[in-house]
Amino acid sequence: QSALTQPASVSGSPGQSITISCTGTSSDVGGYNYVSWYQQHPGKAPKLMIYEVSNRPSGVSNRFSGSKSGNTASLTISGLQAEDEADYYCSSYTSSSPPRVFGGGTKLTVL
Amino acid sequence: QVQLVQSGAEVKKPGASVKVSCKASGYTFTSYYMHWVRQAPGQGLEWMGIINPSGGSTSYAQKFQGRVTMTRDTSTSTVYMELSSLRSEDTAVYYCAREEMTTVTIDYWGQGTLVTVSS
Repeated sequence: QSALTQPASVSGSPGQSITISCTGTSSDVGGYNYVSWYQQHPGKAPKLMIYEVSNRPSGVSNRFSGSKSGNTASLTISGLQAEDEADYYCSSYTSSSPPRVFGGGTKLTVL
Repeated sequence: QVQLVQSGAEVKKPGASVKVSCKASGYTFTSYYMHWVRQAPGQGLEWMGIINPSGGSTSYAQKFQGRVTMTRDTSTSTVYMELSSLRSEDTAVYYCAREEMTTVTIDYWGQGTLVTVSS
């Protein structure tokens, strides 16, 4: 069982928006603004999409945004495109052991 | 540009050990921590441990304590992850991943190394 809880799957049509949640505790998501989101296509390494809750690395589309409320972080993808179909993982720094935790992953299907 | 290039796929028998390398380039090797994360087939990401390439200090997930050893060679900008007493459940893709310290963010990942444990 993963330390952070994500929905197993979400889906949306091209052009729509979707949101993926990531629920932790006050020792991780709720206690620090060190939440990251990763996109992983089949057979590929994860790619950083959001860091520090809501910051986008250079080169990542502004269709991707992040937020946090309490112990739950969220990733929103607007204007869905076929290439967004992938697995998405959240991660957080944690004050307990281990110092990094991941969510179980969410499979995004673009209908 | 930042690159993390890992060693090739391995096939090991149960009880054996495996050592995976990760060669870094495009940045100052000793200024960024390196994590190891694994992913079993069809499963999620699992954090294994971290090494500080500057001093060599390490921290491992309790699950792997006693079986994993992470080391580094600053002369070649390479980190290593050795996992011993392999069992079938260790079959996975193993990734090295760099941490940007100021943002506490894993920002770059290696391409992954598939380790298959089978008799």
